Amino acid sequence: NAGVTQTPKFRILKIGQSMTLQCTQDMNHNYMYWYRQDPGMGLKLIYYSVGAGITDKGEVPNGYNVSRSTTEDFPLRLELAAPSQTSVYFCASSPDRKNQPQHFGDGTRLSIL
Amino acid sequence: KNEVEQSPQNLTAQEGEFITINCSYSVGISALHWLQQHPGGGIVSLFMLSSGKKKHGRLIATINIQEKHSSLHITASHPRDSAVYICAVYPHFGNEKLTFGTGTRLTIIP
Repeated sequence: NAGVTQTPKFRILKIGQSMTLQCTQDMNHNYMYWYRQDPGMGLKLIYYSVGAGITDKGEVPNGYNVSRSTTEDFPLRLELAAPSQTSVYFCASSPDRKNQPQHFGDGTRLSIL
Repeated sequence: KNEVEQSPQNLTAQEGEFITINCSYSVGISALHWLQQHPGGGIVSLFMLSSGKKKHGRLIATINIQEKHSSLHITASHPRDSAVYICAVYPHFGNEKLTFGTGTRLTIIP
């Protein structure tokens, strides 16, 4: 059972480039989340989804976009990469938000130079 | 001030010591989540609790809803317990999101 799978694990981008961070889960979870983790800071929610076709902004959505066309996949898109988006990105999923633990992927370490 | 505060930020202890990590929060919650993150690694869920106490192996988590406080204890600590421990809460009201503490970095010396 793979759980939550994120690709790529590492990526270096130039300022202004675009990329998509992939996230797939095989647990049939309705809820999916994208977080960023900056050094010395707690995880910050970028976007989340409560089911296929439904997405909503988190605390720090600027500069990102998401889509949820299937239950399994929740890609995160960076359109115009900026140095401030250098971070470690985590995708997570849970059956629903009510008192359920979230399952995290291994993270994507992204550097914007 | 963060809604979720952890203490200490850093903790170094000798192998075998009893470890306590604290988490205080300022909002009403429906549940609290303890997570573990190894260096360079992913994040693993340890406990989800909304009352009382839970135990898994050498790890024990307690929560006092009235005092808005939770503790994570590790008995007979081992170097492999070295990691960042993160507390997060599901608020009663508001958006569908966890609010995270900044984590406690634990180092166990052999």
